[in-house]
This record gives sequence, structure tokens and C-alpha cells, in this order.
Amino acid sequence: EAQVTQNPRYLITVTGKKLTVTCSQNMNHEYMSWYRQDPGLGLRQIYYSMNVEVTDKGDVPEGYKVSRKEKRNFPLILESPSPNQTSLYFCAARLRGGGYTFGSGTRLTVV
Amino acid sequence: TQLLEQSPQFLSIQEGENLTVYCNSSSVFSSLQWYRQEPGEGPVLLVTVVTGGEVKKLKRLTFQFGDARKDSSLHITAAQPGDTGLYLCAGAPYGGYALNFGKGTSLLVTP
Repeated sequence: EAQVTQNPRYLITVTGKKLTVTCSQNMNHEYMSWYRQDPGLGLRQIYYSMNVEVTDKGDVPEGYKVSRKEKRNFPLILESPSPNQTSLYFCAARLRGGGYTFGSGTRLTVV
Repeated sequence: TQLLEQSPQFLSIQEGENLTVYCNSSSVFSSLQWYRQEPGEGPVLLVTVVTGGEVKKLKRLTFQFGDARKDSSLHITAAQPGDTGLYLCAGAPYGGYALNFGKGTSLLVTP
């Protein structure tokens, strides 16, 4: 079964304290993406990766970093989180038919 | 970013009623996808439509892709409480993988 696993599910942190949200997929797919979901704004793409060592900015990349050192993992890094990064985050992997499998989400609160 | 407008934004109906959700854009897409999202969970892919004019059926759900590949609709027949959720449409551009999401239609079906 195609799965995208992200951790943690919930995270409360303080402004400026670096954090990483992990994401892994078991499908050996090349394209992975990070989204944030905010009320009234919908899902917006933060970063994406076409393959190992190939990453690029999405629509809202400011304040985020990603890495893709191996195909299955695509972590999202917040070097210095700020309250405006409080959001619901989703990692997704693109299936062969063009659809996406999403992780269960990480609800981040920055105080 | 290619905008997708969904309507209605909210829909509250009784069990057994029929409903249609619309997804419109001024842009042309290579494919269009529909997802359903439960509170606090990731979106789950329902269907991908790729051919202009295509109609796909998934039990009581009927999806249509417009002839011009700019719009789509989701029709639910005899809605059930289990259909409650946020319905999202997402368009894939030509030559790219990044999905553009509509803001969603929140559906509540009461017994």
C-alpha cells in the first residue's frame, strides 16, 4: 500500500528554535512535495523535489528549507520558526497516474 | 500559479439529497484531480480526469472534466453522512507536476 509517513503529528515550539518535520514514502517515487494548509488560503506548495538532490521552491518557500539525500525521505526544516508559520503541514508523493498520496499531516504551533 | 475557484464554499444537506460541486479556472490543465479531506487528516485522492469531456463514476460520485479542460464538477447522488468532508479540486499544469488546489467545498450531510 502506498504510504507517506510524516512525524510528528503535533508540535508546539517557541520562536527561533530550529525544527525538522520528517517525511518518508514507501513507493520509490521521484516527485515529492510539501504543502501548508491555512484557513481561507487552502493548500499552498512550499517546496518540491523532482528526484534525489533536485529541489525547488514552490509558492511559499520563505522561512523553509528541504533536503533530498535519498529518494524515500524529504524532510522540511524550519531554521528559525516564527508564529506566522503556525499551520497544518502535509507531505505528498506523486503516484504514477498523476495523483498524489498525502501524509496525515503535522499541526505546528509556534509561540 | 493557476487559480481554481470552487463553489459552493459550504454545503449543508440532508441524507438522500443530490448535490453538485464546481471547480472552475481560466487556465487549461493537463489533468484535474478531486480529493476528500477529513478534519485533521491528509487529502485522499478520489479520481483523476485527464481527457476533455471525460466522465468518471465512483459508486455514487460522478466526476466530469470540461471539454476545454478548464473546469470540472463532482456530483453526488443520494448523499450519506459518510460523505461529509472537505472536497478539493486540484489542477496539474502542462509540463509540470505541481498541483494548484482550489480552496475546497465543505460538505455536511445530516441524517
